[in-house]
Amino acid sequence: DAKTTQPPSMDCAEGRAANLPCNHSTISGNEYVYWYRQIHSQGPQYIIHGLKNNETNEMASLIITEDRKSSTLILPHATLRDTAVYYCIVRAQYIIQGAQKLVFGQGTRLTINP
Amino acid sequence: DTGVSQNPRHKITKRGQNVTFRCDPISEHNRLYWYRQTLGQGPEFLTYFQNEAQLEKSRLLSDRFSAERPKGSFSTLEIQRTEQGDSAMYLCASSLERLGRGTEQGNTEAFFGQGTRLTVV
Repeated sequence: DAKTTQPPSMDCAEGRAANLPCNHSTISGNEYVYWYRQIHSQGPQYIIHGLKNNETNEMASLIITEDRKSSTLILPHATLRDTAVYYCIVRAQYIIQGAQKLVFGQGTRLTINP
Repeated sequence: DTGVSQNPRHKITKRGQNVTFRCDPISEHNRLYWYRQTLGQGPEFLTYFQNEAQLEKSRLLSDRFSAERPKGSFSTLEIQRTEQGDSAMYLCASSLERLGRGTEQGNTEAFFGQGTRLTVV
C-alpha cells in the first residue's frame, strides 16, 4: 500500500511556480522521498529524490520538512509540458525485504493552464 | 536511445490468446521490474528481477502470467489465455542496485519504458 497522501488534482498558471504537496507521516528513518511524473500515454519519469535535506536538480526542487512527515515538489517555472500526474513515493534506500519496488498511489494530476 | 525499450507499444488480441511482451533495460542495470497500470490508477507492481533471478512476485501475478529474464539482460512477460480484465498498460523499469558497503549501496532511481498497451477484445 502507498504510504503517501496527495491531493488528486491541482491547477497552475503557465510561468508560475507549481508547488505539489505530499504527506508521508509514517515515513521511517531509512526511507527516501521519491517523485515521479507521468505524462499522458508515457511511462513514469523520475524527477528527484531526497532523504532529509532539500534537493534541487534541473527539473525541480524538493523541500522536506524537518520532521520529514511531508514534502513539497516545486516546479519553478511551469510550462504546458509539465501537465502530468505527479507521484510521491517513499522507499527504503537499503536492501530490505520488499523495499526494492516502488509503490505508487493515485498521484496528483497537475494541469498547467496558458 | 539508451533508455528502457518495450515492444510492442500496442497489442490487440482476442480473448483466450497468448501474448508476450519484451523489455530491454538500460544496459548496466541489474534490476528489472514489471508493472501494470489501468486507466486512472497508478502503476501496480507485478514482479522484479535481480539479474536473472526473479525475487518477488505480486499477488496480481496470476498463474496465467509468467516473466523471465534468462540471461540477466532483456525480459519477457507472457500472459496465457488472455481475459478482458488483462487489458492495461504493462510497464517495465530498470535500475542499478549498488552492492558493497557504505553509503553507495542500496536502491537507486528506476527508469521506465514507454509501456505496452494491451487490449483484449
